[in-house]
Amino acid sequence: RKEVEQDPGPFNVPEGATVAFNCTYSNSASQSFFWYRQDCRKEPKLLMSVYSSGNEDGRFTAQLNRASQYISLLIRDSKLSDSATYLCVVRLGNAGNMLTFGGGTRLMVKP
Amino acid sequence: GAGVSQSPSNKVTEKGKDVELRCDPISGHTALYWYRQSLGQGLEFLIYFQGNSAPDKSGLPSDRFSAERTGGSVSTLTIQRTQQEDSAVYLCASSLTHTGPYGYTFGSGTRLTVV
Repeated sequence: RKEVEQDPGPFNVPEGATVAFNCTYSNSASQSFFWYRQDCRKEPKLLMSVYSSGNEDGRFTAQLNRASQYISLLIRDSKLSDSATYLCVVRLGNAGNMLTFGGGTRLMVKP
Repeated sequence: GAGVSQSPSNKVTEKGKDVELRCDPISGHTALYWYRQSLGQGLEFLIYFQGNSAPDKSGLPSDRFSAERTGGSVSTLTIQRTQQEDSAVYLCASSLTHTGPYGYTFGSGTRLTVV
């Protein structure tokens, strides 16, 4: 079982739609959680950290459910420019503190 | 600098040649990481450095790969006797520290093509 699992997609949605991605992690001792965005042929960039109480940044909302060991990302009012691969990232507390990257979920927003 | 800087941005080399890839992390970041990403694939961890501690080399795929970090700043990843399967984008990232709630900041990568 992978340490961080994501549905690879692609998720094809129309502009203006609301889309949600989930990610599950296997290590209950995980301490820090992030969503990264990676555009085609570009480096990953930090989109947002995920806090226990949930957090929002504009059209983006991240939630953490420690009991079920999953993280979610909700994007409201999708824009064409949101098309990218979204990487779920977890810091495994008892594995040398490395960030472990999921394989990513590809989002395609269509006109 | 303002971000993580990598050079060269593109490198084409002949099979069997050695290559050196350079990474200049964000000033003050003590942790530095090397990853590689093949086309359409996820990130593959190679090696990380934290301050003056011994590096974690557990991700290096073979003894043809090595890396060093001089003065706790600039890092060089060396691939000896390159093979076609080494073709990938090599990404460097830095972080304020290796622990704590800090994410990584990536450089724009070196696209290596072995012909």
